[in-house]
Amino acid sequence: GAVVSQHPSRVICKSGTSVKIECRSLDFQATTMFWYRQFPKQSLMLMATSNEGSKATYEQGVEKDKFLINHASLTLSTLTVTSAHPEDSSFYICSARTGALYGYTFGSGTRLTVV
Amino acid sequence: AQSVTQLDSQVPVFEEAPVELRCNYSSSVSVYLFWYVQYPNQGLQLLLKYLSGSTLVKGINGFEAEFNKSQTSFHLRKPSVHISDTAEYFCAVSDQQGGKLIFGQGTELSVKP
Repeated sequence: GAVVSQHPSRVICKSGTSVKIECRSLDFQATTMFWYRQFPKQSLMLMATSNEGSKATYEQGVEKDKFLINHASLTLSTLTVTSAHPEDSSFYICSARTGALYGYTFGSGTRLTVV
Repeated sequence: AQSVTQLDSQVPVFEEAPVELRCNYSSSVSVYLFWYVQYPNQGLQLLLKYLSGSTLVKGINGFEAEFNKSQTSFHLRKPSVHISDTAEYFCAVSDQQGGKLIFGQGTELSVKP
């Protein structure tokens, strides 16, 4: 089946630094990827939709300059959290639309802790 | 725009008992409906989805859900739960243009021996 590999699974960074999270589709081409953020015991909130070769579409309230999304190839999308602060600590999950009819597959998530 | 409401934040149940996790949605257009399961610190795994056709959808791990258009509901059921079913369950909706998934708040299913 369609697999999305997300790395790193956990990262701790200092406040003010930037962190990059990668999502790779391993056995299919992902023209569209979605990035979600999840706080403890809460739902997944869509941050942005990225389409290969074009600018990402951000949801209302999401700072595009802080959460940089790049989808330069059909198998790789990245989310960079710039100038991270403790309030950015969260669980970030990517998802890709697969070739199956309205199939979505999810990465395993990245636990970001900013200290 | 679509929205999803999961009516129960936590559902405790004993092993081998039946369970129902409730989900209601709101949309001005026709939608597709999904149920996902999430284990701690992991991504989401698809349990089942409703696209069209029969309103009773069977999924993995013995789960099933019924689409009720008049009540705008998509409740998830399992006749006999196992300890291993303990997890967070999310109901989600998308429009029929294959757009983004919108998730409910999640229901924590806790199966006790």
